[in-house]
Amino acid sequence: QAVLTQPSSLSASPGTSASLTCTLRSGINVGTYNIYWYQQKPGSPPQYLLRYKSDSDKKQGSGVPSRFSGSKDASANAGILLISGLQSEDEADYYCMMWYSSAWVFGGGTKLTVL
Amino acid sequence: QVQLVQSGAEVKKPGASVKVSCKASGYTFTSYDINWVRQATGQGLEWMGWMSANSGNTGYSQKFQGRVTMTRDTSTSTAYMELSSLRSEDTAVYYCAVNPPRSGDFDYWGQGTLVTVSS
Repeated sequence: QAVLTQPSSLSASPGTSASLTCTLRSGINVGTYNIYWYQQKPGSPPQYLLRYKSDSDKKQGSGVPSRFSGSKDASANAGILLISGLQSEDEADYYCMMWYSSAWVFGGGTKLTVL
Repeated sequence: QVQLVQSGAEVKKPGASVKVSCKASGYTFTSYDINWVRQATGQGLEWMGWMSANSGNTGYSQKFQGRVTMTRDTSTSTAYMELSSLRSEDTAVYYCAVNPPRSGDFDYWGQGTLVTVSS
């Protein structure tokens, strides 16, 4: 089982909110870890969005709009990237990442379609 | 402004080695760690390893241990990633990315280098 699991795709309408999940493997407690989020558009390298550990321990990437925010769902053992006020330019692949067992581990990515 | 400029595309035969460079500018080279991440066409991101630009210390993904070597030249603010014993599955775009030490904030990324392994 992968360390980080993301749904492969998600669709949402402009102006609404999208909640992208990143589920940690059973036995790895999401509350202990920083979860990082990256956005990647076709033909471009990834861009850092934010880091989230808790409401008191988080970081927004430079120039990243406040429409992008992080949270956790302890009951689902998942990190969450919330994008509010969806815009067409938010259509991209989104990856979560964490440091686990002396390595950076990426989730498989979620393709967000805004339609 | 921070820039990471990578070397150009490479075509290699199976069994060969490839060395990709990442030239940094716009910041103090030794104040960031450098990571290498690759992405096969249509696939996700895969972390390969990191290097302290200050000390030269490295940490590699178990998957690439023994095949990857990361080095740097502080005089030219350039980092290098060499991957040996290439196979077709190594065909991918290779990115360098920098982060503050002991952080996953990969703030800046290179443009990527396509490495194609084909006989």
